[in-house]
Amino acid sequence: QVRLVQSGAEVKKPGASVKVSCKASGYTFTNSAMHWVRQAPGQRLEWLGWINAGNGNTEYSQKFQDRVIITRDTSASTAYMELSSLRSEDTAVYYCARPSLAVAGHFEYWGQGTLVTVSS
Amino acid sequence: SYELTQPPSVSVSPGQTASITCSGDNLGNKYACWYQQKPGQSPVLVIYQDNKRPSGIPERFSGSNSGNTATLTISGTQAMDEADYYCQAWDSSTPYVFGTGTKVTVL
Repeated sequence: QVRLVQSGAEVKKPGASVKVSCKASGYTFTNSAMHWVRQAPGQRLEWLGWINAGNGNTEYSQKFQDRVIITRDTSASTAYMELSSLRSEDTAVYYCARPSLAVAGHFEYWGQGTLVTVSS
Repeated sequence: SYELTQPPSVSVSPGQTASITCSGDNLGNKYACWYQQKPGQSPVLVIYQDNKRPSGIPERFSGSNSGNTATLTISGTQAMDEADYYCQAWDSSTPYVFGTGTKVTVL
């Protein structure tokens, strides 16, 4: 079965960077994409961007394109999301999410989430 | 940027029907899907491509999308359906956008 397992919670100071990992199993990693979505406390879900796990191409939300980098390591079936210049408003749970292999536009599988806390 | 608006809360009695709306400009021309999220858990897809149910999702969940509004309907609502629900829209020219979220309370 498909599993997405994320790295553990992080506490960072304002201005620092954070890198969250998402290890995939149960399918061929390079046949799909990986998206990153975050949710601040009590807020809606917010899309950050995605990577084509096969060729490494990326696309980012305009809101985050200056601060986010999504990469992958195909040998480890792992995707990474790095967010820089952190501020308190970046405190949120960060999820990786895999889209359907057959149909575009939605996320079939989600990681368990990684809480990133930004505090001085 | 594209915006999706949902009512903040919906209350329903057990066994009754809950309807959750999601409004956006020409939403009917995009694909809409819905996620259920319980406290402390990751979202779960319950409807995709407007009205399709993933395997394992009960038949009481259904969806529609036309004009400016997508609707998630829960028929015969059960206590286990109490959760937050988020709509999401997508087409080839619109990045992934989520709705404001609706808290469904089963009274």
